[in-house]
Amino acid sequence: DVKVTQSSRYLVKRTGEKVFLECVQDMDHENMFWYRQDPGLGLRLIYFSYDVKMKEKGDIPEGYSVSREKKERFSLILESASTNQTSMYLCASRTGTSAHNEQFFGPGTRLTVL
Amino acid sequence: GQNIDQPTEMTATEGAIVQINCTYQTSGFNGLFWYQQHAGEAPTFLSYNVLDGLEEKGRFSSFLSRSKGYSYLLLKELQMKDSASYLCAGVRGGATNKLIFGTGTLLAVQP
Repeated sequence: DVKVTQSSRYLVKRTGEKVFLECVQDMDHENMFWYRQDPGLGLRLIYFSYDVKMKEKGDIPEGYSVSREKKERFSLILESASTNQTSMYLCASRTGTSAHNEQFFGPGTRLTVL
Repeated sequence: GQNIDQPTEMTATEGAIVQINCTYQTSGFNGLFWYQQHAGEAPTFLSYNVLDGLEEKGRFSSFLSRSKGYSYLLLKELQMKDSASYLCAGVRGGATNKLIFGTGTLLAVQP
C-alpha cells in the first residue's frame, strides 16, 4: 500500500518559533509537495520538489522554506512562525514528471501558532 | 487568475444521485482531478479526466467538457459514508506542472 506519513497530526507553537514539519513517502516518488488547507481557500501549493535537493516555489512560499536531502523525505520549515500560519498542512507525493499522475496525500498536520 | 469554482455545500438523501459541478477558465487547464476528503483525513484520488466525456468507476462517474470549462462528479446510490468534501483540481497548462484546487464541496448525505 502506498504511504505518505507526516511527523505530527497536531502541533502547537508560539509566535517566532522555528517549526519543522516532516513528510516521508515509501513509494520512491520523484515529486513531493507541501500544501496548506484553509476554510474557503482550498488547498494552496507552498513548495514542491521534483528531485533530491531540488525545490520550486509554489503559489504562497512567503514565510516558508523546504529541504529535500533524501528522496523519501521532504521537510517544510517555518523560520519564524506567525499566527497567520495557523493552518492544516498537507504533504503529497507523485511519481514521474507528469502533472497528470495522481498525487498521494499524507494525513495532514494541524498547526496552531499562538 | 486561474480559478476553479465549485459549490460550497450540498445535501442529498441516502440512495439518491447527486451531481457536484466544477467550472474553470478554459485557457488555463488541460486535465481535471476529483479527490474525496473525509473530515480530518487525507484527500484520496477518485478520478481523472483529460479528454471530453464521461469516465465511470463503480458508483462514481466524472465528466469533462474542455470547450465549456466544465466538469462534474456524479455519485449514485448514495451511502452515508459518502458524506465528505469533494475537491476539484485542474492541471495547470504550460511548464508549471502543478494542480490548482477548488475550495471543495462539502456533501452531507442524510438518511
